[in-house]
Amino acid sequence: EPEVTQTPSHQVTQMGQEVILRCVPISNHLYFYWYRQILGQKVEFLVSFYNNEISEKSEIFDDQFSVERPDGSNFTLKIRSTKLEDSAMYFCASSERDRVGTEAFFGQGTRLTVV
Amino acid sequence: ILNVEQSPQSLHVQEGDSTNFTCSFPSSNFYALHWYRWETAKSPEALFVMTLNGDEKKKGRISATLNTKEGYSYLYIKGSQPEDSATYLCASYTGNQFYFGTGTSLTVIP
Repeated sequence: EPEVTQTPSHQVTQMGQEVILRCVPISNHLYFYWYRQILGQKVEFLVSFYNNEISEKSEIFDDQFSVERPDGSNFTLKIRSTKLEDSAMYFCASSERDRVGTEAFFGQGTRLTVV
Repeated sequence: ILNVEQSPQSLHVQEGDSTNFTCSFPSSNFYALHWYRWETAKSPEALFVMTLNGDEKKKGRISATLNTKEGYSYLYIKGSQPEDSATYLCASYTGNQFYFGTGTSLTVIP
C-alpha cells in the first residue's frame, strides 16, 4: 500500500542551526501539507503546497520556514535558524486532490529536538 | 483559526464495552469532517471522511455520525478490543486545510 515516508525519524539539533525535514509523498498526489505537534498540544497546520507553490500558510510559518519540492518526489521543510520552541513532531501529509471528501495520508513524523 | 474540540480527552474502558466520543466544530466554512486513528509511533490513519449532514459511516465495529447544522460528530466503537487503544483525532476540512482537535485517547483494558 502506498505510504508517505519521512526522514529522519528523529533529529537533534543545536539552537540556531538549520534543519531540513524530508518527506516523500504518495506518487500521484498533488497536494502536500506540513503539520506539527508540540508535546501535549494540538496538531497545528503549518503550510499547504500545490503546483510548486504555497497555497496557504499559518502564522507559525514565518520567514524562518520554507518548503520546497526539489525533484518531483521529495517535499522538504527547512527551518533556517532553529529555536527551542521549534521542538515538536513534524508531520507531512499528501492528498490526491484538494476536494471535499479527499482524505490526507500522513507520514510517521519527524521528532525534532532543539537543544 | 477554527476551534475544533474533542471530548473526553481520555477514556479507559473494559474490553467488550461500547464507547463513544464527540468532536465539535464550527458549522460555518464546513467542507468535510475527517476522523483519524493514531497509534503511538505510527502515522494517523484515516477512518472516515464525512461531508453531508446526517452522514453515517461504518467500518467494522467503528461508526460515525455527522451533524453539520449543530457542528458535531460522534464516533462509536462497539465491543471495544485492546487493539482499539489509540488516539482518535477529528479534523474539520475547510477547503484549504485541516483543523485538528486535540484527540481522545482511548485505552481498552483486557
